[in-house]
Amino acid sequence: AQKVTQAQTEISVVEKEDVTLDCVYETRDTTYYLFWYKQPPSGELVFLIRRNSFDEQNEISGRYSWNFQKSTSSFNFTITASQVVDSAVYFCALSPRGSTGTASKLTFGTGTRLQVTL
Amino acid sequence: DTGVSQDPRHKITKRGQNVTFRCDPISEHNRLYWYRQTLGQGPEFLTYFQNEAQLEKSRLLSDRFSAERPKGSFSTLEIQRTEQGDSAMYLCASSQGANEQFFGPGTRLTVL
Repeated sequence: AQKVTQAQTEISVVEKEDVTLDCVYETRDTTYYLFWYKQPPSGELVFLIRRNSFDEQNEISGRYSWNFQKSTSSFNFTITASQVVDSAVYFCALSPRGSTGTASKLTFGTGTRLQVTL
Repeated sequence: DTGVSQDPRHKITKRGQNVTFRCDPISEHNRLYWYRQTLGQGPEFLTYFQNEAQLEKSRLLSDRFSAERPKGSFSTLEIQRTEQGDSAMYLCASSQGANEQFFGPGTRLTVL
């Protein structure tokens, strides 16, 4: 069985602060994919990143960065210099990787609500 | 391409009625997924299709739920004899092979 744990239910920061959202996962699969999605107040889930389990390189995209550590089964997400527009619920998700390299169903965590204020 | 669309966006029904939701994926995406999301929770997987074939169904999907994807394009999700516990946001997503899933705006179901 697969499981994703996002222990932080809600985080509040002041604009321009850095913030890290934690994600810990459990799986018996040897290969898998990890994802982060953003759900703004409008409700539609927005894809942020996909990471393959055998690629442990950290990734940076603008103010966003991701730290994948297989040894601790964690895939944390950091927003640098947060902005009010970053306010949303952020979900970490896990998918098995099929023999042909395909991802399939996503198992989501319960999400972390980020509130960024002025 | 306008993304994944879902219809209706909101549905209010009385307990015991049948409801049907429609999802139009991004064109040429061969995979289509249905998820359900309740307040304060992450989406939960229900079922998915590759083209017209339904490849997997969650144990969450009781016999009252049925999904179809005729001709491998749009999909419908039907709930028969709705119960109050079926109240949730029903999300559809599509992807091309191993790529990331793109989600629609969802259909919010309220069962009175």
